[in-house]
Amino acid sequence: GNSVTQMEGPVTLSEEAFLTINCTYTATGYPSLFWYVQYPGEGLQLLLKATKADDKGSNKGFEATYRKETTSFHLEKGSVQVSDSAVYFCALTLYNQGGKLIFGQGTELSVKP
Amino acid sequence: DSGVTQTPKHLITATGQRVTLRCSPRSGDLSVYWYQQSLDQGLQFLIQYYNGEERAKGNILERFSAQQFPDLHSELNLSSLELGDSALYFCASGGRLAGNTDTQYFGPGTRLTVL
Repeated sequence: GNSVTQMEGPVTLSEEAFLTINCTYTATGYPSLFWYVQYPGEGLQLLLKATKADDKGSNKGFEATYRKETTSFHLEKGSVQVSDSAVYFCALTLYNQGGKLIFGQGTELSVKP
Repeated sequence: DSGVTQTPKHLITATGQRVTLRCSPRSGDLSVYWYQQSLDQGLQFLIQYYNGEERAKGNILERFSAQQFPDLHSELNLSSLELGDSALYFCASGGRLAGNTDTQYFGPGTRLTVL
């Protein structure tokens, strides 16, 4: 079946550290890939997306590249801030399934000053 | 602000009861998606409506039902509630074209507590 696997959290970093959150997927067909972020007490916000292989999504200093050969979509940021503390969800959709999102389990990030 | 509204924000009820959660999509969006977020199951897709018609179904219990009205708002009805139904329920909208994998915009969620 179609699924998303994320690295387990929580991830604790110091401010200005480099961030990587791993995400791999299994899908029949060609998925679109997303990273969503959930701040404490809030809903999910789209962080970035990529719709085809080798596309790079980027937003607010975060980046992720759609790697078909390794079925991965790892999230990176060069220098994290305390305000980046949140839960990050990797997700995919498949065109022939109406666009429903299949989520990974989420990775909690805590950034300390 | 995503433009998706959900009411109520919090709901506390007892086992065996029935509740209705409401969602208004962003202006112009035809699709509404419902998701359940719980500690043990994570984020799970429940059901999708597109322009009033059911489009896709996920892990939705038979005790749960939904509909989308002509003005495109949607309601999720949960009946015969059990303790395990306690969760955060999100509505998302998007997909101005049927089957589109475009961005989904999430509402703030309704936190349901079943006592």
